[in-house]
Amino acid sequence: DAGVIQSPRHEVTEMGQEVTLRCKPISGHNSLFWYRQTMMRGLELLIYFNNNVPIDDSGMPEDRFSAKMPNASFSTLKIQPSEPRDSAVYFCASSLRTGDSYEQYFGPGTRLTVT
Amino acid sequence: GESVGLHLPTLSVQEGDNSIINCAYSNSASDYFIWYKQESGKGPQFIIDIRSNMDKRQGQRVTVLLNKTVKHLSLQIAATQPGDSAVYFCAEALFGNEKLTFGTGTRLTIIP
Repeated sequence: DAGVIQSPRHEVTEMGQEVTLRCKPISGHNSLFWYRQTMMRGLELLIYFNNNVPIDDSGMPEDRFSAKMPNASFSTLKIQPSEPRDSAVYFCASSLRTGDSYEQYFGPGTRLTVT
Repeated sequence: GESVGLHLPTLSVQEGDNSIINCAYSNSASDYFIWYKQESGKGPQFIIDIRSNMDKRQGQRVTVLLNKTVKHLSLQIAATQPGDSAVYFCAEALFGNEKLTFGTGTRLTIIP
């Protein structure tokens, strides 16, 4: 089992550039989550999908951020234009909601640095 | 100016001793709670969960205690090992809603 796959693992970009983060959830999982982790704000949920449909995007900071899930095996988080304050580790997680379990499996994260 | 970040509580425990990590949750309506472990450079990893109709649940070397009266959650780790060194997060949710709200975390260091 490969687990949740994220790419790239590290991204350094200049302010104003577009950044696209990618995620492949665990096969068979039906929910996908995008989180951001910073020293200032801790671990925050940005958006989550269920069966490829966005359910809650209330954590998306502003219009510069967008997320898509075109199919069950792929999701992207895009920042356009990027700003230095977007520097953070971005995690993707997936889950298969069954009965009493809400276990989310996290990927290794993408460390984004915007200069 | 000086940047201000989250100040992670820290706990240092001798290897082999038991550790207790505490968490105060914010929403009295929350009825589902999870503990995650995050090692350096990795994503959070599920440890154990508990629903509000229970006040205690045990796993392998770990026990979670829930006190709804004071909105308090704790994670007990028995016979700690060097591999237990990590940041531990509690998370809360409304059962039926997959949206988790994470706490600020506690850094646990195991002293050999």
